[in-house]
Amino acid sequence: DVKVTQSSRYLVKRTGEKVFLECVQDMDHENMFWYRQDPGLGLRLIYFSYDVKMKEKGDIPEGYSVSREKKERFSLILESASTNQTSMYLCASSFGYGKLSPLHFGNGTRLTVT
Amino acid sequence: AQRVTQPEKLLSVFKGAPVELKCNYSYSGSPELFWYVQYSRQRLQLLLRHISRESIKGFTADLNKGETSFHLKKPFAQEEDSAMYYCALNTNAGKSTFGDGTTLTVKP
Repeated sequence: DVKVTQSSRYLVKRTGEKVFLECVQDMDHENMFWYRQDPGLGLRLIYFSYDVKMKEKGDIPEGYSVSREKKERFSLILESASTNQTSMYLCASSFGYGKLSPLHFGNGTRLTVT
Repeated sequence: AQRVTQPEKLLSVFKGAPVELKCNYSYSGSPELFWYVQYSRQRLQLLLRHISRESIKGFTADLNKGETSFHLKKPFAQEEDSAMYYCALNTNAGKSTFGDGTTLTVKP
């Protein structure tokens, strides 16, 4: 069974802080994704990666960056946290290339920016 | 650009009643569609996928390309089906686009 682990379940940060959200998957998946989940807005894709050191912008990349130095780890970085980045952040991974593979999700990190 | 629409944010039914969660999509290519479910305090997980044509926990979903729909159905809802349900579309690039989600409540 695929396991996607997000390092923190809850985080509270102050406006302007640099925030790192970490995600690790243990099934050698090529693809990794960061979504944010907000009530009434569904899941919105922030960034994704198909390979080590590769990244692509999703639908809402502004204010975020990512890092993928190893295949199993995908980090989301908030360079200067703002209150409108308070949200639930979901990491996901999938196998292979193309459109047939479903996503495997982590438990999520609920970030509050005060 | 691709889009997924779930018109109902909230859906409430009684136990034993049929339930249908609606999903419509727009995509110029050939879509691959999925339903995901999130039970209370659990992670989001795959419920079923279009390509498998399977029934999971009594749920089925049929892709109707003419109506661009992928509605999720169950003939007899159970209380344990109460959850948030998301419809998602995968493009050739492997990205998933999600609908806004429907919260299903099954009342005893």
